[in-house]
Amino acid sequence: SQQGEEDPQALSIQEGENATMNCSYKTSINNLQWYRQNSGRGLVHLILIRSNEREKHSGRLRVTLDTSKKSSSLLITASRAADTASYFCATHNNAGNMLTFGGGTRLMVKP
Amino acid sequence: NAGVTQTPKFQVLKTGQSMTLQCAQDMNHEYMSWYRQDPGMGLRLIHYSVGAGITDQGEVPNGYNVSRSTTEDFPLRLLSAAPSQTSVYFCASSIAGPGEQYFGPGTRLTVT
Repeated sequence: SQQGEEDPQALSIQEGENATMNCSYKTSINNLQWYRQNSGRGLVHLILIRSNEREKHSGRLRVTLDTSKKSSSLLITASRAADTASYFCATHNNAGNMLTFGGGTRLMVKP
Repeated sequence: NAGVTQTPKFQVLKTGQSMTLQCAQDMNHEYMSWYRQDPGMGLRLIHYSVGAGITDQGEVPNGYNVSRSTTEDFPLRLLSAAPSQTSVYFCASSIAGPGEQYFGPGTRLTVT
């Protein structure tokens, strides 16, 4: 079973709009990470947020973490057509050395 | 640096055949892992290694073996291929533990 579950499964927006993706998980975590995957390619790391952090920024990306609700969100501001990709959250739980991925959100940004 | 490299890029096997997927990294990373990704789904962890000589099972280890004789290499062996192992396989590495992962380009495997 997968630790993280993304919502929505698919999202279609216009260029310039903001995109928000959510991730829920089940067990206590050490950190939570977000990755991007372009079609047919390997994953690229976007951002890592530790369990004692609440918010983190990187360029147009903003990630929040609410450990009481076991959830995280990824916000992409002023989206571009090049942001079209699948986005995955992954959790490193406190129990071991595994990184567990969710099912992903497929984002389409229309020019 | 080449980063994480995987060979082959594509492979077709018949049921019952065995093969080894190669993974190498030149970043001196301690942590390496193998994932499989089925169509429209996320990644599932097969095996991982926290350092040379140490391997452990992930979520879906059955049918796969790994070894880690050097820091650089982490091959994945399919013992007797089954159609259910048709997938895209990704190798990844990180400096230590499951932090920021660097992914290889993947191997697309079809078992007929």
